Amino acid sequence: KAGVTQTPRYLIKTRGQQVTLSCSPISGHRSVSWYQQTPGQGLQFLFEYFSETQRNKGNFPGRFSGRQFSNSRSEMNVSTLELGDSALYLCASSFSVGADGYTFGSGTRLTVV
Amino acid sequence: AQTVTQSQPEMSVQEAETVTLSCTYDTSESDYYLFWYKQPPSRQMILVIRQEAYKQQNATENRFSVNFQKAAKSFSLKISDSQLGDAAMYFCAYRRQTGANNLFFGTGTRLTVIP
Repeated sequence: KAGVTQTPRYLIKTRGQQVTLSCSPISGHRSVSWYQQTPGQGLQFLFEYFSETQRNKGNFPGRFSGRQFSNSRSEMNVSTLELGDSALYLCASSFSVGADGYTFGSGTRLTVV
Repeated sequence: AQTVTQSQPEMSVQEAETVTLSCTYDTSESDYYLFWYKQPPSRQMILVIRQEAYKQQNATENRFSVNFQKAAKSFSLKISDSQLGDAAMYFCAYRRQTGANNLFFGTGTRLTVIP
């Protein structure tokens, strides 16, 4: 079966712009989590969604937001982009919240110039 | 707060040899999960092995095994018969058993396999 699909794979944006990243989980998976990966801060949790509800949120400013649709697909949005938002954004899906089987996508590489 | 520490930024191993990657963590909880993930150049995080804290027996997955020392809060990964395809970044991660389910990751160890 298809894995976790993240689009786009690469993205270049200018400071001050906003961006939307997409994640399609494995079929049947209802939980989607987002992580930011940077050389300086490593892997940090952004948020988790289950059945269209945000269940958990990491320590990120309000410029970072997300949502989940009825088909479990998720989007995350970053507004007023800063240079420090340049990162690899990884999405992971699982059957339910707390399930062990996290499957990650290949990420979206965002570069802010 | 949970913290995960990987003290070896880089490691190398000869093909077919054995290598051990170190990980320590800090938590006040008694029940939790520990994971090792592999991230090759393709960027996708791939689960290598998983350990439940309540299990005393060390987890094993083919050539991968862990040494879980709960009292010492240590969780090392041993890779036996190393293969070229094992070259990647390896991340140790912690997750609570109840409550918030997010993963706390270490900073990673870059493993190079020498032919």
